[in-house]
Amino acid sequence: AQSVTQPDIHITVSEGASLELRCNYSYGATPYLFWYVQSPGQGLQLLLKYFSGDTLVQGIKGFEAEFKRSQSSFNLRKPSVHWSDAAEYFCAVGGGNFNKFYFGSGTKLNVKP
Amino acid sequence: GAVVSQHPSRVICKSGTSVKIECRSLDFQATTMFWYRQFPKQSLMLMATSNEGSKATYEQGVEKDKFLINHASLTLSTLTVTSAHPEDSSFYICSANAGGNEQFFGPGTRLTVL
Repeated sequence: AQSVTQPDIHITVSEGASLELRCNYSYGATPYLFWYVQSPGQGLQLLLKYFSGDTLVQGIKGFEAEFKRSQSSFNLRKPSVHWSDAAEYFCAVGGGNFNKFYFGSGTKLNVKP
Repeated sequence: GAVVSQHPSRVICKSGTSVKIECRSLDFQATTMFWYRQFPKQSLMLMATSNEGSKATYEQGVEKDKFLINHASLTLSTLTVTSAHPEDSSFYICSANAGGNEQFFGPGTRLTVL
């Protein structure tokens, strides 16, 4: 069965510190992997995506993610967090028939000044 | 490019009434559209998948008679919440796929049922 796990519900980091948000997936076919960010009451903004090729992908706002097939992981990283990065982050896996997406439960990021 | 709009952005209705939410792909033709529901502080749950000109495919546990989906054209899908009740209050998000590996998400519709 397809599923996405984000083990960290809340994370608090200090501004300027590095960040890593974890994502593990279970998918029966070749996964297409995505990270989205959502501010309160808003829709989703795509940060980055992985389809194939280089397993380290760069996204917007200084984010990057690394696909590790052996670990079924697609962790999101940022070297230096800004206060404006405080939001909810969702990992998603898609593909297969009809390209359905399955979302993780989300990680809420708080940034301390 | 790849912009998806939703209308309305917010709606408040009385219990027992029906509410229609529109999802439009503005600059591309969407072969498939998806409807999600997001309860407060929770993730997005896929409700149904709709293909233009055919019946929607609903996820397990989603009542197809309560959540009517119509995908009349390649740029428009509608979700009608029939006989809405307070427990239907949620954030409804649509997305559209143009045939590739990506979905483009709308900004969401906040439904409040009194």
